Amino acid sequence: ELKVEQNPLFLSMQEGKNYTIYCNYSTTSDRLYWYRQDPGKSLESLFVLLSNGAVKQEGRLMASLDTKARLSTLHITAAVHDLSATYFCALGGGADGLTFGKGTHLIIQP
Amino acid sequence: GAVVSQHPSWVICKSGTSVKIECRSLDFQATTMFWYRQFPKQSLMLMATSNEGSKATYEQGVEKDKFLINHASLTLSTLTVTSAHPEDSSFYICSARGLAGVGEQYFGPGTRLTVT
Repeated sequence: ELKVEQNPLFLSMQEGKNYTIYCNYSTTSDRLYWYRQDPGKSLESLFVLLSNGAVKQEGRLMASLDTKARLSTLHITAAVHDLSATYFCALGGGADGLTFGKGTHLIIQP
Repeated sequence: GAVVSQHPSWVICKSGTSVKIECRSLDFQATTMFWYRQFPKQSLMLMATSNEGSKATYEQGVEKDKFLINHASLTLSTLTVTSAHPEDSSFYICSARGLAGVGEQYFGPGTRLTVT
């Protein structure tokens, strides 16, 4: 059974600071996803990581994947208030549904 | 492209009644659709996988007689919550898997169900 663990589950940080969210998983999988969810909304796709060593960046967010360590990270650079949201990593895909981590509730304060 | 819609976006129903939620892929064909449930302040949990023209596959612990799924076409899947109870109140999100590319799932906007 695939297990996905995210940490931290809650993060309060100041604008301008850097931080990393970690996503560990128990078994190999085709692909790893990062999503953003705003309150009351559905999911917004951020990144899809397909192979070991994959790194993707969009604005202040950068995601990486280490399949040997079964670890993905989502790094936030110089955080701004607009990045406040809940971030989920998820694994699976193809013919299978996704298994989600518990999510990281991120609050960025001025 | 790759837009998925859900209808209704929110619904309130009385305990014991049934409610149907539609999930449509608007600009692509989806052989597979997935239904997820999200309780407040929790993560998404896969309920079932729906394949066009065949019976849905339910995850362990999900009552197939309570959550009826129909995937009659390549662009439409429906989830019917039968004899709804307050504990069924949740945010239901569908996703649709495209035929091409890396098979990424595209998520609908969700349906908030409140059972009174």
